[in-house]
Amino acid sequence: GQSLEQPSEVTAVEGAIVQINCTYQTSGFYGLSWYQQHDGGAPTFLSYNALDGLEETGRFSSFLSRSDSYGYLLLQELQMKDSASYFCAVSRQRDNYGQNFVFGPGTRLSVLP
Amino acid sequence: DAGVTQSPTHLIKTRGQQVTLRCSPKSGHDTVSWYQQALGQGPQFIFQYYEEEERQRGNFPDRFSGHQFPNYSSELNVNALLLGDSALYLCASSFRLAGAPDTQYFGPGTRLTVL
Repeated sequence: GQSLEQPSEVTAVEGAIVQINCTYQTSGFYGLSWYQQHDGGAPTFLSYNALDGLEETGRFSSFLSRSDSYGYLLLQELQMKDSASYFCAVSRQRDNYGQNFVFGPGTRLSVLP
Repeated sequence: DAGVTQSPTHLIKTRGQQVTLRCSPKSGHDTVSWYQQALGQGPQFIFQYYEEEERQRGNFPDRFSGHQFPNYSSELNVNALLLGDSALYLCASSFRLAGAPDTQYFGPGTRLTVL
């Protein structure tokens, strides 16, 4: 089967740096994505890693180690608006019909003033 | 450029009834996936449609079925509703390109309550 693990909650203060870890077990691994979801809203795409290493997009960076089945999302210069749930999602190649996604349970980030 | 749209926003049904949810993908996208998200949990993959056919399916019973139309829009049907079907139903669209990752764009969801 497949499973993903993330911390359930993380708390940090404005301006700080926070790292949200994700470990996974899956077959047919293709890549690791990160999504942000505010209460009552839809998940929005943040970043994607298919190869080992760090991807940087503004204040957000994402890292992947395929050999360790591990990735993380790094949020810098935290702002109050970053308070949300963050999901890692493994995309798996399924034959010739593209990929499907398995989402983690989510990490609720609270940013304090 | 309109993003992914879903209708209705909210829906209340009783056990045993049937429901149809609708999704219009982002312009230029050809693939639609449906997810169920229970409160406090991550989205669970239901199925994916491409070229008007169900291509992949998650671990959901046959009560969950769908359809994709020639304009790429999609419907999710759930029969014989159970209390446990109460959830946020999310539609995500993407563009299939061989060898490239599917970046999925989510709609705002339909909140289904089964009484």
